[in-house]
Order: sequence, then structure tokens, then C-alpha cells
Amino acid sequence: GAVVSQHPSWVICKSGTSVKIECRSLDFQATTMFWYRQFPKQSLMLMATSNEGSKATYEQGVEKDKFLINHASLTLSTLTVTSAHPEDSSFYICSAPPQSPGGGNYGYTFGSGTRLTVV
Amino acid sequence: GENVEQHPSTLSVQEGDSAVIKCTYSDSASNYFPWYKQELGKRPQLIIDIRSNVGEKKDQRIAVTLNKTAKHFSLHITETQPEDSAVYFCAASMSSGYSTLTFGKGTMLLVSP
Repeated sequence: GAVVSQHPSWVICKSGTSVKIECRSLDFQATTMFWYRQFPKQSLMLMATSNEGSKATYEQGVEKDKFLINHASLTLSTLTVTSAHPEDSSFYICSAPPQSPGGGNYGYTFGSGTRLTVV
Repeated sequence: GENVEQHPSTLSVQEGDSAVIKCTYSDSASNYFPWYKQELGKRPQLIIDIRSNVGEKKDQRIAVTLNKTAKHFSLHITETQPEDSAVYFCAASMSSGYSTLTFGKGTMLLVSP
């Protein structure tokens, strides 16, 4: 089945620095990748949708200059948290949509998540 | 956009009892409804899903029911076991195109031995 590899699994950084999170589709081409953020004891909230070859679409309230999303190729999408602050500490997870929605494959593939702690 | 409400937020049961989690959705265009189990610090794991052309689906101890008219769907776990303890999320999406999933707020299920 489809696999999305996400790295790093956890990272600790200092306030003001930037952190890059990568999601790679290993056995399929992902033209779209969804990026979610999950605070402790809360649900997954969509931050943005990345599309290969075009600009990412951000959800309302998400700062596009702070959360830089790049879909560099059909197998790589990255999220860079710039000038990180403690309030950015969260669990970030990517997800590729079903590879053949019309064909009955409805399964979304999730990365393993990245625990970001900003100190 | 889609809004998914999930209840209860926490559910405690004794081992062997049944557990039921309920969700409602707002967008009548949604036609795919998965349920995920998430353990602390890990990715959501799909446990069962249902499409809008089906009213019920069962997989061993887990079942999901869907009422399109009322726009609600439920997860039923029978003969619960301690290892069923986790956070469960319902979600909704449209299967056409590349629609994102909209998640409910989650239910923390605790199964006591």
C-alpha cells in the first residue's frame, strides 16, 4: 500500500530558529499533500494543502509567511516553521489523499508525524 | 465548509462492554466517513470506513452505521478490550477530487480490565 515517510519524528529547537519537516511518498506520486497540526488532547486541524507545481493553499488563520510549504516534486512536500516560538510546539503530520478516488480507493495515507518542541 | 461534531469526548467502559461514539456532519456532499484510532504520539490508524451508498459496515468487533438523511454516523465497538483504549476520531470528506478530511474533536476511550 501507499507509504508516506515523514522526518524528523521529533525535533527540539530554540526560539527564533527555523525547522523543516519533510514528507516523502515512497511508492506513489503525491500531487497533493495535506498538512495538519495537532495540539495535545486536541484534534487534527488542517493547516494547508500543498500541490506540486503550484502555490500551497492555506487555511484561514494560518500564517503563510511563518509556515512555508513547498511541494518540490511529485514525491516530496516540506513544511518549514520559520522563526519558531514556544506556541508553535505541536505535533505536525502530513497526509496524502486517496490515490484513486474515483476508483474506490478512499484511503488517506498519513506520515508518522513530527513532534516539535520550541524552547 | 464541512463541520464534524463528535460525542462523547471521553468514554469509560468495563472490559467486555460495548462502546458507541457518535458523529454528525454538516455538508451533504460528504460521502466518505472513516474512523481512526490514534495512540499517543502516533499517526491515526484507519479502523473502519463507510461510504454514503452503504448504511452499515462491520469488521469483527467494530461496526459503523451511517444515516445520510440525518447526517450522522456512529462507531460501535463490542466486547471491548483494554487494548482498545485510545483516542478515536471520526472524519468526513468528499471522495471526488482530492478533498481533505475534516476531523471530529476525538473521543478518549478508556477500557478498564
